[in-house]
Amino acid sequence: GEDVEQSLFLSVREGDSSVINCTYTDSSSTYLYWYKQEPGAGLQLLTYIFSNMDMKQDQRLTVLLNKKDKHLSLRIADTQTGDSAIYFCAELTGGGNKLTFGTGTQLKVEL
Amino acid sequence: DTAVSQTPKYLVTQMGNDKSIKCEQNLGHDTMYWYKQDSKKFLKIMFSYNNKELIINETVPNRFSPKSPDKAHLNLHINSLELGDSAVYFCASSREGGAANYGYTFGSGTRLTVV
Repeated sequence: GEDVEQSLFLSVREGDSSVINCTYTDSSSTYLYWYKQEPGAGLQLLTYIFSNMDMKQDQRLTVLLNKKDKHLSLRIADTQTGDSAIYFCAELTGGGNKLTFGTGTQLKVEL
Repeated sequence: DTAVSQTPKYLVTQMGNDKSIKCEQNLGHDTMYWYKQDSKKFLKIMFSYNNKELIINETVPNRFSPKSPDKAHLNLHINSLELGDSAVYFCASSREGGAANYGYTFGSGTRLTVV
């Protein structure tokens, strides 16, 4: 399909790990990103991965990239209530001129 | 000291009216964008400008006209507003050559409600 796909909802308990998955569309995408959107706010860049990498770790965040399957994931360790938000994956397409976003995953962290 | 600022934050208007949303960035970026986020939170690019020149126009109705007086500003004018235009509109900017390893910097959005 044409859309960058994500599951709509994920609910986890505080302190557990969260894994948010994304299937992107363009095998020639050079960079892939994860953005966070809190209610009523804009999008905040969390992390990115270059297409020649298969893993990137940044504090509590781990990004895994499977280029063969065009699958991207974001793992948040020790999830906190402040992590509750919508998470978007995004791929850089159009020869590097366009950022195409996934459908977004609403993460809810419960006590 | 906001990096990408949009005004107004909220806009409620009647069908058929014409309205504008302004965007300014103080990051020295060369490329600016408008995105639309609908009620299901889907984000779609509308326009992209690089140094005041239109780069991307994603099949947006002619009622939408972006204007870039200089590379720090990208305004969005909408004529004859329709109910389906209700959404949150985000402005963003990035360095020369696209997002690369810096990503886009987004404004906080303008919530447009057409009644």
